[in-house]
Amino acid sequence: ETGVTQTPRHLVMGMTNKKSLKCEQHLGHNAMYWYKQSAKKPLELMFVYSLEERVENNSVPSRFSPECPNSSHLFLHLHTLQPEDSALYLCASSQERTQRVGYTFGSGTRLTVV
Amino acid sequence: AQSVTQPDIHITVSEGASLELRCNYSYGATPYLFWYVQSPGQGLQLLLKYFSGDTLVQGIKGFEAEFKRSQSSFNLRKPSVHWSDAAEYFCAVGALDYKLSFGAGTTVTVRA
Repeated sequence: ETGVTQTPRHLVMGMTNKKSLKCEQHLGHNAMYWYKQSAKKPLELMFVYSLEERVENNSVPSRFSPECPNSSHLFLHLHTLQPEDSALYLCASSQERTQRVGYTFGSGTRLTVV
Repeated sequence: AQSVTQPDIHITVSEGASLELRCNYSYGATPYLFWYVQSPGQGLQLLLKYFSGDTLVQGIKGFEAEFKRSQSSFNLRKPSVHWSDAAEYFCAVGALDYKLSFGAGTTVTVRA
């Protein structure tokens, strides 16, 4: 257990479905992140939440909608996705503005869009 | 903005042999540097980090890395590789804010 828990581990959804990914951390961290990992591509930062406020949205399509109700939970709501959105979605957390300890990652959700 | 280059996409090494993975970064000041490892189907696990002090840092699983400012490099090494070291390795650089920039990764295959 890494301290960051992501559910579900695997998700298959149709292009017209609506689903949500969940991330939970109890490390006392103040910043949480969503990354997309596609095969043979660098990790793509999607969203950053710091103290429960969204501080970055890296030109992510509106079919991805993040939510951070408190400092321990982060969601990624998905709707009308495309096959190219199939990827491993990683959640991470860190102490805000303190990179001396780096990120703690979850195990990811493997998303397949059919 | 900071950036990271990992020149080697894939490395194959024999079990028991030494391993070195290259990482070059671009950043104007002294960066925070990290190496992460990802086993298949898993998230990223922190191997080691550097932010100041001794330029040779020790990490978990017998890995070490050396920061060389003159070469803008932070190469990862292990003297003797085990089959369980087969994984993907990511170098990352951080600055004064909360963001990390990751390299594209190096896949390590270990042959018996």
